[in-house]
Amino acid sequence: DAGITQSPRHKVTETGTPVTLRCHQTENHRYMYWYRQDPGHGLRLIHYSYGVKDTDKGEVSDGYSVSRSKTEDFLLTLESATSSQTSVYFCAIRDGSYEQYFGPGTRLTVT
Amino acid sequence: RKEVEQDPGPFNVPEGATVAFNCTYSNSASQSFFWYRQDCRKEPKLLMSVYSSGNEDGRFTAQLNRASQYISLLIRDSKLSDSATYLCVAAPVMRNEKLTFGTGTRLTIIP
Repeated sequence: DAGITQSPRHKVTETGTPVTLRCHQTENHRYMYWYRQDPGHGLRLIHYSYGVKDTDKGEVSDGYSVSRSKTEDFLLTLESATSSQTSVYFCAIRDGSYEQYFGPGTRLTVT
Repeated sequence: RKEVEQDPGPFNVPEGATVAFNCTYSNSASQSFFWYRQDCRKEPKLLMSVYSSGNEDGRFTAQLNRASQYISLLIRDSKLSDSATYLCVAAPVMRNEKLTFGTGTRLTIIP
């Protein structure tokens, strides 16, 4: 299995609070991604990174920000969580090939 | 119309049978394709990559039909452990930053 961990694995938070999810890789891969997965939708890209301090938006980036200060860590922040951000969040990594490998996911509930 | 469409199923198939499902994509610029399997409450795991007309790995065969814009996945001699949701994924012009995921086809193998 790819060396990807996510933390926390589960979180319940209240509307309006900031939340940061962490993705950590031990593979030294350049590319990292944040997705959300909701019933009735495929995995949707939130943000991705193509190197330290290099990030770009995906299709559902509103309400989310990211940071990547080290190769191994990619952080996803919900500045002010809303109920619509209740979801399962997956981090993924990619090396020089074209395949992405996913972390175990974070289940976030915003009440 | 969704960019990647899959029959959501469920497909309930007896053990040992052959099962096939299709996935259609709308973006003719899509160049690379993937099948992932996802177990309940787990992360997607890469099953197969398809860069040309098809790929085979043991009991699994993926075929690509560019003229009709669909990818199929065939599972022979199905096992109970094949029960999962299968995600079809398309990527344009060999750039994985813009993977498009289908919503998945749920497969249950019946003893």
